[in-house]
Amino acid sequence: DVKVTQSSRYLVKRTGEKVFLECVQDMDHENMFWYRQDPGLGLRLIYFSYDVKMKEKGDIPEGYSVSREKKERFSLILESASTNQTSMYLCASSLPPGQGHTGELFFGEGSRLTVL
Amino acid sequence: AQKVTQAQTEISVVEKEDVTLDCVYETRDTTYYLFWYKQPPSGELVFLIRRNSFDEQNEISGRYSWNFQKSTSSFNFTITASQVVDSAVYFCALPDTGRRALTFGSGTRLQVQP
Repeated sequence: DVKVTQSSRYLVKRTGEKVFLECVQDMDHENMFWYRQDPGLGLRLIYFSYDVKMKEKGDIPEGYSVSREKKERFSLILESASTNQTSMYLCASSLPPGQGHTGELFFGEGSRLTVL
Repeated sequence: AQKVTQAQTEISVVEKEDVTLDCVYETRDTTYYLFWYKQPPSGELVFLIRRNSFDEQNEISGRYSWNFQKSTSSFNFTITASQVVDSAVYFCALPDTGRRALTFGSGTRLQVQP
């Protein structure tokens, strides 16, 4: 089974702090994603990566950055946390569509971040 | 751009009732997949089904069934004889092929009362 592991289920941080959210997948997937989930808004894509050291902006990248130094690990960084970044953060991974793969995303359990 | 609309924000039913969750999508792709995911209270999104736009046959898996109609751009999900364990948020999703990501609807929260 594919396993996507997010380092922290619950975090409480203060405004202005630097926050790291870590995500590791164990299936050698090329693609990795960070989504943010808010009530009524569904999941919104923050950043994604197709390969090591590669990153692309999603729909809401402002206030975030990412790092992918190894294929299995994709980190989301909040340089200076703000209260409007209080949310559930979901990491996912996938293989690209084709060769029998449909682009299905495999998700971690989520990290619920509260910024005070 | 891809768009997925789940107009039902929250649905509450009593156990053993049938319930249908609606999903309407927009895409310029001529071929595509559609997905449904379930998010139980634990938080992790669980894959339920993937359908290819070529195949408009209804899919049935136990108490779950899916009705895909390309003509109306809809991919509705029906739970027959609902159970309390079906209580969750359900998301419909469409691939954003240019980014290999999925575009999600806003989700429908289903509450099944005992």
